[in-house]
Amino acid sequence: GAGVSQSPSNKVTEKGKDVELRCDPISGHTALYWYRQSLGQGLEFLIYFQGNSAPDKSGLPSDRFSAERTGGSVSTLTIQRTQQEDSAVYLCASSRGQLLSDTQYFGPGTRLTVL
Amino acid sequence: AQTVTQSQPEMSVQEAETVTLSCTYDTSESDYYLFWYKQPPSRQMILVIRQEAYKQQNATENRFSVNFQKAAKSFSLKISDSQLGDAAMYFCAYRSAQGGSEKLVFGKGTKLTVNP
Repeated sequence: GAGVSQSPSNKVTEKGKDVELRCDPISGHTALYWYRQSLGQGLEFLIYFQGNSAPDKSGLPSDRFSAERTGGSVSTLTIQRTQQEDSAVYLCASSRGQLLSDTQYFGPGTRLTVL
Repeated sequence: AQTVTQSQPEMSVQEAETVTLSCTYDTSESDYYLFWYKQPPSRQMILVIRQEAYKQQNATENRFSVNFQKAAKSFSLKISDSQLGDAAMYFCAYRSAQGGSEKLVFGKGTKLTVNP
């Protein structure tokens, strides 16, 4: 079936605005991950979902960042009051969630630019 | 906390030649998984190869193979018969085998250029 999809592909926003990024995982994948890729910090883990719950939120950089997942499928990452340092590519990945060795399959990412 | 280091920001190779990308990691765990991902300009991360730490045999996938040295905490990627399509960013990643730690920890990446 289809791979992980993310929308929008690119997002330009003004500082202080809220943004929502969407991730549609591979059908049947119970585990979902958000990562952030920026020039200065490389690839950083943000949050991990198993089903609708988030056992690991340790990577969220501030309380401006939040994420939810409904119906064990689509996830939304919300950034409130965006700052210029939030500019990055936000990557979503999913896996079967059955074994730790399960491969994480990545989406094409959303490039966020905060002006 | 685990860390992953890729000491080569950029590498280049001639088409049809062999290139080795380096990766070292730091962990106190004895069981874990290691991965190499490729990221072309399209931004889509693609799994190239993976290695379970408990396996002594090095993983191989067609032209891609690894040299896993557990004691040295080293996990290098060898690309044989390089092709123009191999040009991309390559990321080494670590994942704990302990439950609850599902995240991948990535290195900074190596940009591979393949010259015709």
